[in-house]
Amino acid sequence: EVQLVESGGGLVKSGGSLRLSCAASGFTSSDAQVNWMRQAPGKGLEWVGHINSKSAGETLNYAAPVKGRFTISRDDLKNTVYLQMNSLRTEDTAVYYCDVRGNWGQGTLVTVSS
Amino acid sequence: EIVLTQSPGTLSLSPGERATLSCRASQSVSNNFLAWYQQKPGQTPRLLISGASSRATGIPDRFSGSGSGTDFTLTISRLEPEDFAVFYCQQYGTSPFTFGPGTKVDF
Repeated sequence: EVQLVESGGGLVKSGGSLRLSCAASGFTSSDAQVNWMRQAPGKGLEWVGHINSKSAGETLNYAAPVKGRFTISRDDLKNTVYLQMNSLRTEDTAVYYCDVRGNWGQGTLVTVSS
Repeated sequence: EIVLTQSPGTLSLSPGERATLSCRASQSVSNNFLAWYQQKPGQTPRLLISGASSRATGIPDRFSGSGSGTDFTLTISRLEPEDFAVFYCQQYGTSPFTFGPGTKVDF
């Protein structure tokens, strides 16, 4: 059974950094495309970016609002995908989810204060 | 970027009624890679449909997806009380992947 557990969220000041983790079980993360999504309080869903599977070249893609500030990476030994978030802004405040083939984790809350 | 428009914004129905939700894309969705999600308050989104018309594991057959190209539909044949929620469509055929703004189905 595919399971994803996000962690690393918290409160950070504007301009700061945070690294989120998405720990996978029930499958090998390098065999799958892993997406990051987010949902600001009271708002809709937003795709943040993804890392493709090893067989697809592990290419990275990002949404325009986070390009150049956020970086996705993977640790195969830990079967974990990371979202490094730099130069955080108040508008990055959201619950962040990782997703594989429609299976989402429970999310982790990131709050960016001014 | 492919922009998804969902209509209506809110659908007010009663249990037992049929719900028809629309998702329109600003350009053709590659390989009809269009998904539908259901989200209830305080919960994680749940995948209902992928590939425009394939039900996810465990999803009741009252949920069905149809459409291709730029026009897609999610139909709930007979609403159950637990179906009332917000529904999002997402295209995952072309990066950046995008979501629609959602349709709220309520009483």
